[in-house]
Amino acid sequence: KNEVEQSPQNLTAQEGEFITINCSYSVGISALHWLQQHPGGGIVSLFMLSSGKKKHGRLIATINIQEKHSSLHITASHPRDSAVYICAVLFYNNNDMRFGAGTRLTVKP
Amino acid sequence: DSGVTQTPKHLITATGQRVTLRCSPRSGDLSVYWYQQSLDQGLQFLIQYYNGEERAKGNILERFSAQQFPDLHSELNLSSLELGDSALYFCASSVEGLVIKETQYFGPGTRLLVL
Repeated sequence: KNEVEQSPQNLTAQEGEFITINCSYSVGISALHWLQQHPGGGIVSLFMLSSGKKKHGRLIATINIQEKHSSLHITASHPRDSAVYICAVLFYNNNDMRFGAGTRLTVKP
Repeated sequence: DSGVTQTPKHLITATGQRVTLRCSPRSGDLSVYWYQQSLDQGLQFLIQYYNGEERAKGNILERFSAQQFPDLHSELNLSSLELGDSALYFCASSVEGLVIKETQYFGPGTRLLVL
């Protein structure tokens, strides 16, 4: 079982829809990152969370430490949001990051 | 543009060979991270350097090695290459190398194909 599970694996939405991508992990963490990988391969860091909620434009990321779960929400989705979204965690007492398999989002006009 | 540069963009080589991938961090960033992204394994953290010293090690094979030079650029050396080493190799940088506090800025990646 992967230490970091993402769902769904693939997601297709119509422009304007509200999107939710989920990330669950197995043990305690000190930080969680959400990354966006564009179709061309480039990676951008969207958020880094250790608690609570963060918002940047149409993107919102939340984390529930007790439930070992994080969500990435996209409001008013747009075709340019089409990308792979990857969750990455840093476990306690561990210096390396572990990654989810990614969620491939396609937003249709 | 993240400000992180990687060379070369593409590399094709044969099994058993040795290659060197290069990364220049953003101006002012002291820490460099290396990641491997393959089709079957996804993204994996390989190694992190901070100001010339190794800070953290992930799933890096013994055939792979890295170093960070005094001018802060970093090189990842891959030797005795196997077909399974074919992947995208990303470098990222951050100011202090504190993974729990800092955003990492990713380079465009080097696509390695081992034939």
